[in-house]
Amino acid sequence: GENVEQHPSTLSVQEGDSAVIKCTYSDSASNYFPWYKQELGKRPQLIIDIRSNVGEKKDQRIAVTLNKTAKHFSLHITETQPEDSAVYFCAASTEAAGNKLTFGGGTRVLVKP
Amino acid sequence: DGGITQSPKYLFRKEGQNVTLSCEQNLNHDAMYWYRQDPGQGLRLIYYSQIVNDFQKGDIAEGYSVSREKKESFPLTVTSAQKNPTAFYLCASSLYATNEKLFFGSGTQLSVL
Repeated sequence: GENVEQHPSTLSVQEGDSAVIKCTYSDSASNYFPWYKQELGKRPQLIIDIRSNVGEKKDQRIAVTLNKTAKHFSLHITETQPEDSAVYFCAASTEAAGNKLTFGGGTRVLVKP
Repeated sequence: DGGITQSPKYLFRKEGQNVTLSCEQNLNHDAMYWYRQDPGQGLRLIYYSQIVNDFQKGDIAEGYSVSREKKESFPLTVTSAQKNPTAFYLCASSLYATNEKLFFGSGTQLSVL
């Protein structure tokens, strides 16, 4: 089955700097890659997603890039703010697996003021 | 906020006891899921249901059971066979079985006395 690895497990950045989280996946048939954000004590929420027919997607200060050849995708957060502090999860899914999501281990991001 | 409601927020299990976690959704979603969240391990799928009266095992189903008698409800029972039940349990739903976008509940923290 699909295996998703996420790095780093923790990331500390200064407010205003950029943060990058990288995920690798094992199943070359994976075609959907979402990112979820879980603030402390709250439920995970989808923040951005990308499909395999697209190389990059942006939404204000966040962007996701996908490299299908290398089987990795990354989340980029620019101009980080304290409210970006959270745990971020990447995930991947394939149609063959019924579109069930396989999640990475999560990255705890701390934005220092 | 509405959507998916999990209860209780905190639950304690005694040795040899079965406990049931509640998950109710008013989004009219077809599919529902149970995930287990352990520190540093991301979200692992326990069971999922694509339609009423049908459900499938996820990656870590041993020691758990579910039912889906109503579209709105997907309770999870943690049985005494689950030897390491302490974790944060998240319920989620998606509009269709093939729709990857998940809406999560606020979770239940289960601890062993």
